[in-house]
Amino acid sequence: NAGVTQTPKFRILKIGQSMTLQCAQDMNHNYMYWYRQDPGMGLKLIYYSVGAGITDKGEVPNGYNVSRSTTEDFPLRLELAAPSQTSVYFCASSETGLAAGELFFGEGSRLTVL
Amino acid sequence: GQNIDQPTEMTATEGAIVQINCTYQTSGFNGLFWYQQHAGEAPTFLSYNVLDGLEEKGRFSSFLSRSKGYSYLLLKELQMKDSASYLCAVNQAGTALIFGKGTTLSVSS
Repeated sequence: NAGVTQTPKFRILKIGQSMTLQCAQDMNHNYMYWYRQDPGMGLKLIYYSVGAGITDKGEVPNGYNVSRSTTEDFPLRLELAAPSQTSVYFCASSETGLAAGELFFGEGSRLTVL
Repeated sequence: GQNIDQPTEMTATEGAIVQINCTYQTSGFNGLFWYQQHAGEAPTFLSYNVLDGLEEKGRFSSFLSRSKGYSYLLLKELQMKDSASYLCAVNQAGTALIFGKGTTLSVSS
């Protein structure tokens, strides 16, 4: 059972570079989320999607973009990497709209911007 | 807006009972979750409360008081493997989970 798969697991970027963090889930979940986690700061919601073709901003969307062309995939795009985007990024999915459904997390992508 | 507060760190010994508190102020409350996160790993689901009262699941229990904006996670018969961060998260208006900063629990022998 793959669940939620994130790639890459580790990446080092130079300031100003662009990259896409990939996220795929095989549980046919409608709801998908991107969080970032900085040391001692908990998880902050970047973007979320309630279904294919629908995305919405979370708490900290600046500097990021997302798309949701299929139910399975929810990539996160960093256009101009900045040191403030050094973090661990978690993708998650849920079956329901969180009324009673838990989040299933990927293993995380550790990004360093130098 | 929303605000979720929980203690930064707690320590306890094996076999003991520990209670991790969480207070919240948020609009559109639709339930409260607790997650466990071991160092370097992804969070995993522990419990969910939407109504007032206690939910028990093995060694872990979670309590919610909506009128007080208060929840706690109770861990009994502590084991070394319970050393982890415990994240309180509020379901805001049914769309997304908003997390607190987490409580790092250290269990010693």
